[in-house]
Amino acid sequence: EEQLVESGGALVQPGGSLRLSCAASGFNFRKHWMSWVRQAPGKGLEWVAFIREDGSKKYYVDSVKGRFTISRDNAKNSLFLQMNSLRAEDTAMYFCARVGHGDYNLGYWGQGTLVTVSS
Amino acid sequence: QSVLTQPPSASGTPGQRVTISCSGSSSNIGSNAVNWYQHLPGTAPKLLIYNTYQRPSGVPDRFSGSKSGTSASLAISGLHSEDEADYYCASWDDSLNGYVFGTGTEVTVL
Repeated sequence: EEQLVESGGALVQPGGSLRLSCAASGFNFRKHWMSWVRQAPGKGLEWVAFIREDGSKKYYVDSVKGRFTISRDNAKNSLFLQMNSLRAEDTAMYFCARVGHGDYNLGYWGQGTLVTVSS
Repeated sequence: QSVLTQPPSASGTPGQRVTISCSGSSSNIGSNAVNWYQHLPGTAPKLLIYNTYQRPSGVPDRFSGSKSGTSASLAISGLHSEDEADYYCASWDDSLNGYVFGTGTEVTVL
């Protein structure tokens, strides 16, 4: 059975850093693009980043460029999001998602991990 | 501020047909496929439509997607109480070089 399990969410002060992880199982991880998506409290879904199967290409939403880095370890079936210089507006539930083939659809999602940026 | 605009809410009685619109531009919907997602708060979002018209296995054929120019629509026919959720359109945007979600529509079953 396909499974994506996020971890690493926490309460962090503004300006701080956090590293999110997503453990994948039940599918061929190295054959799929992967993504992070977030949802701030009371707000809609916001795409954060994509990474290609081999990690050679990465895409980010403008608001996190230069602060967040998406990466992956195909040997460990794991996806990561390194978040630096965190701001209050980064407070959100962060979801890991598997990208389907054909277009950029997010075909399978994890349950999310909560990041709170506050002093 | 999202570049894909949806109505904030939609509603219907059980069995009715509900349509949700998604308005974009030539750089997103006008030139790329559209996806639709269903999200119940506190759960993982679920893909309903990919490649503008196609349903993943397990998604009932009550859900259908369409597109015309720079706008897309999701239709839910034969509304069920379990369809009460938030719905989002999404598409790649060539100008932003990124993936964008719509503003979201809350569907209520009366």
